[in-house]
Amino acid sequence: SQQGEEDPQALSIQEGENATMNCSYKTSINNLQWYRQNSGRGLVHLILIRSNEREKHSGRLRVTLDTSKKSSSLLITASRAADTASYFCATAPGGGADGLTFGKGTHLIIQP
Amino acid sequence: DAGVIQSPRHEVTEMGQEVTLRCKPISGHDYLFWYRQTMMRGLELLIYFNNNVPIDDSGMPEDRFSAKMPNASFSTLKIQPSEPRDSAVYFCASSFVRGANEQYFGPGTRLTVT
Repeated sequence: SQQGEEDPQALSIQEGENATMNCSYKTSINNLQWYRQNSGRGLVHLILIRSNEREKHSGRLRVTLDTSKKSSSLLITASRAADTASYFCATAPGGGADGLTFGKGTHLIIQP
Repeated sequence: DAGVIQSPRHEVTEMGQEVTLRCKPISGHDYLFWYRQTMMRGLELLIYFNNNVPIDDSGMPEDRFSAKMPNASFSTLKIQPSEPRDSAVYFCASSFVRGANEQYFGPGTRLTVT
C-alpha cells in the first residue's frame, strides 16, 4: 500500500522559478526521503530528513517535515531544465524496519 | 564504483515462460531490495535481504515470484510462470549500514509479458 502521497501529481513551471512539492503519509516514521527519477532511469536519492528534524537544506533543495501533520515538502529553488523529472517521497517506518514505502510521485516539468 | 547493475535492461517474454532478473549490488552494501514500478500501483517493495538473508518478503505478490541471494554480490528475482500483469519495471537497490537510509537504485529491468 502507498504510504506517501505527493501533491501535485504534475507541475509545470518556467525555468528560474521555484517548485514546491508536498507529501503526506499515514503512519509513524523513522525518516522521510526524497528521490528523483529521470525518464527511463532508476531513482536517485536527494535528501533524507529524520523524524526529529524540521528542516534540511542541500544545495538548491529545502525539505521540511511536520510530524504532527504527517507531511513534508520539497522546495527546489531557481529551477533548471535539468530538474525535469519525477520526484518521490519515501518513508522509512518506525520500529527499525528497513524497507521504504514510496508515494506515486510528482512529475515536474521545467519550461525553458 | 559502477553502481548497482541490473540485467537484462529489457525483457520481452510470452505468458507462461520463466523470467529471471539479475542484480549486482554495490560492493560493501549489506542490504539489497527488489522493487516493482507500474503506473497503477507506483513503486512497491517486493523483498529485501540483509547479509544475503531474506528479511521481509511480504511484498512478493504470489508464489510465482521467488528471490535468492546466493552471495553478497548477486541476487536474482524469478517469475515462473509469467503473466501479462507482471509487466512492469523491476528495480534493484542496495544500501549500507541500515536499509532505512539512502538507497542506491539500479537502472531497472523493463519486463513485458505478452
